[in-house]
Amino acid sequence: EVQLVESGGGLVKPGGSLRLSCAASGFTFSSYSMNWVRQAPGKGLEWVSSISSSSSYIYYADSVKGRFTISRDNAKNSLYLQMNSLRAEDTAVYYCAREGSGDSGYFDYWGQGTLVTVSS
Amino acid sequence: QSVLTQPPSVSAAPGQKVTISCSGSSSNIGNNYVSWYQQLPGTAPKLLIYDNNNRPSGIPDRFSGSKSGTSATLGITGLQTGDEADYYCGTWDSSLSAGVFGGGTKLTVL
Repeated sequence: EVQLVESGGGLVKPGGSLRLSCAASGFTFSSYSMNWVRQAPGKGLEWVSSISSSSSYIYYADSVKGRFTISRDNAKNSLYLQMNSLRAEDTAVYYCAREGSGDSGYFDYWGQGTLVTVSS
Repeated sequence: QSVLTQPPSVSAAPGQKVTISCSGSSSNIGNNYVSWYQQLPGTAPKLLIYDNNNRPSGIPDRFSGSKSGTSATLGITGLQTGDEADYYCGTWDSSLSAGVFGGGTKLTVL
């Protein structure tokens, strides 16, 4: 059974940093691209970042470019999101999502999410 | 403002059919596959449709997807109260080099 479990969320002050983790199990992690998608309270889904299976290709939403860094450790079956210079508008539930096989860009499995709150 | 445009809400009676539209452009829907997600209250999104019109295993055939040009449509037949949820379309935008979602559509089954 595919499982994605996020952790690392919490309350942080504006300008602060946080590192999210996503532990994957039930599939060959090193064979799949992975993504972070966030959802602000009461709002819609917003794609944040993606990383290819071997970390060769990395993409970011303009809203986080230069502040967030996505990475992965295939030996540990883990995905990470380093978030720096956090702003109030980064407050959201952050989901880790597996990208389906091929280059279709769909997300076939999602974690339960971790809440990040940026507030003074 | 989302890159993909969805109606904020749709509604229909139990047993009826509803469609949800998703409008984009040549840089996203026009040249990339579309997927659809269902988000029940308080839960993570769930994949309903991928590659425009394919259903993952376990998704009933009451759910269907189609794409024409720069627009896509999700269809749901035989509506059930359990279908009440938010529905999102998504795709890749080749100009932005970024994933994009619609703003979401809230389905109410009256």
